[in-house]
Amino acid sequence: NAGVTQTPKFQVLKTGQSMTLQCAQDMNHEYMSWYRQDPGMGLRLIHYSVGAGITDQGEVPNGYNVSRSTTEDFPLRLLSAAPSQTSVYFCASRASKVYSNQPQHFGDGTRLSIL
Amino acid sequence: GNSVTQMEGPVTLSEEAFLTINCTYTATGYPSLFWYVQYPGEGLQLLLKATKADDKGSNKGFEATYRKETTSFHLEKGSVQVSDSAVYFCALGSNSGGSNYKLTFGKGTLLTVNP
Repeated sequence: NAGVTQTPKFQVLKTGQSMTLQCAQDMNHEYMSWYRQDPGMGLRLIHYSVGAGITDQGEVPNGYNVSRSTTEDFPLRLLSAAPSQTSVYFCASRASKVYSNQPQHFGDGTRLSIL
Repeated sequence: GNSVTQMEGPVTLSEEAFLTINCTYTATGYPSLFWYVQYPGEGLQLLLKATKADDKGSNKGFEATYRKETTSFHLEKGSVQVSDSAVYFCALGSNSGGSNYKLTFGKGTLLTVNP
């Protein structure tokens, strides 16, 4: 009964380093997405995917890359970390790739600090 | 475009007090409305939803009614408990397809319930 699994849970990076945040879901969901959560800003959509091989940008895509080679996995890559990317990152999935009137399932988050 | 406005917190209540968290929205068409809850250190969980006007969503003693005439979806609970302390997010999802894939979130309201 795993749902959406994110790793790592915590990470500290130095400015300029790169890293990949992992996200996997076992519900065969078509739609997957990445959000960042910052104080007073709510959740902001970074990138999303409506199926394997298809990704698109959300509200705040700069500095992040994604790929979707399988239905299950949707990693988020920070190419050159900056202090402004210090945040809590959430991965989410839902069954329908089209209709956002269905609930999304969230992972427990990755808390990322950039020094 | 779609938007969600929810009351800013933090909200601090004593146990057994009545809770209201206001949420209003702007949207085209006939959106679905959600309340998500985020307990400390965890991801977001769906609390309740409503898919059409006058629907009432309910779960764990929480209720919210989809009011199209006032474009509102206020969250209420008659008697809060310490375990209800969390951040609550109002969200809007589209019932139409096309390019409107994403959920629109409010900024969240922190609720603290004291014994």
